Amino acid sequence: DGGITQSPKYLFRKEGQNVTLSCEQNLNHDAMYWYRQDPGQGLRLIYYSQIVNDFQKGDIAEGYSVSREKKESFPLTVTSAQKNPTAFYLCASSSGGHQETQYFGPGTRLLVL
Amino acid sequence: QKEVEQNSGPLSVPEGAIASLNCTYSDRGSQSFFWYRQYSGKSPELIMFIYSNGDKEDGRFTAQLNKASQYVSLLIRDSQPSDSATYLCAVTLYGGATNKLIFGTGTLLAVQP
Repeated sequence: DGGITQSPKYLFRKEGQNVTLSCEQNLNHDAMYWYRQDPGQGLRLIYYSQIVNDFQKGDIAEGYSVSREKKESFPLTVTSAQKNPTAFYLCASSSGGHQETQYFGPGTRLLVL
Repeated sequence: QKEVEQNSGPLSVPEGAIASLNCTYSDRGSQSFFWYRQYSGKSPELIMFIYSNGDKEDGRFTAQLNKASQYVSLLIRDSQPSDSATYLCAVTLYGGATNKLIFGTGTLLAVQP
């Protein structure tokens, strides 16, 4: 089955800890994205990557880091510098280019202990 | 001014009625418009996209775009309780080689049996 997978479904972070959220896609999409969703707010873009080994900051990149070593994978690390990490994290991918459509993975809910 | 605005709702309609969801956007250069449905605790799923002025129909769903008024809407005919969800409007802003998808905060639709 083609699609986007995210793991884990739930993640608990302790004070001062870095945690990494996984995102994998087998849709052969060039572009991948990370969003954060907070209650009552729209999705906000954290980072995006249009091609392997290249990525750009989105609107709220502070406290996060990413890598894009493979086309299929775009992991997101939530660092200890992110002081309010509790949120629903969504990974998306698209084929790239204009008029592209983004498809979402099932999401990871991050909670702080 | 928010880039993409939606009434947060809840919009309550009886089963079998037409639900009308509205969205306005601020950037006149926007070219691609998307409607996503998001059930509580789940990730967004694509309902429809529209690029040209006018109407686009897909089953019970109709997207309407008016670029002059910077307005896009989604009509759901014969509404069902299973349509109860938050509907997110998203607009693509083009900036050079990169495209950004800007989301509204969503409208909560409640279909009453």
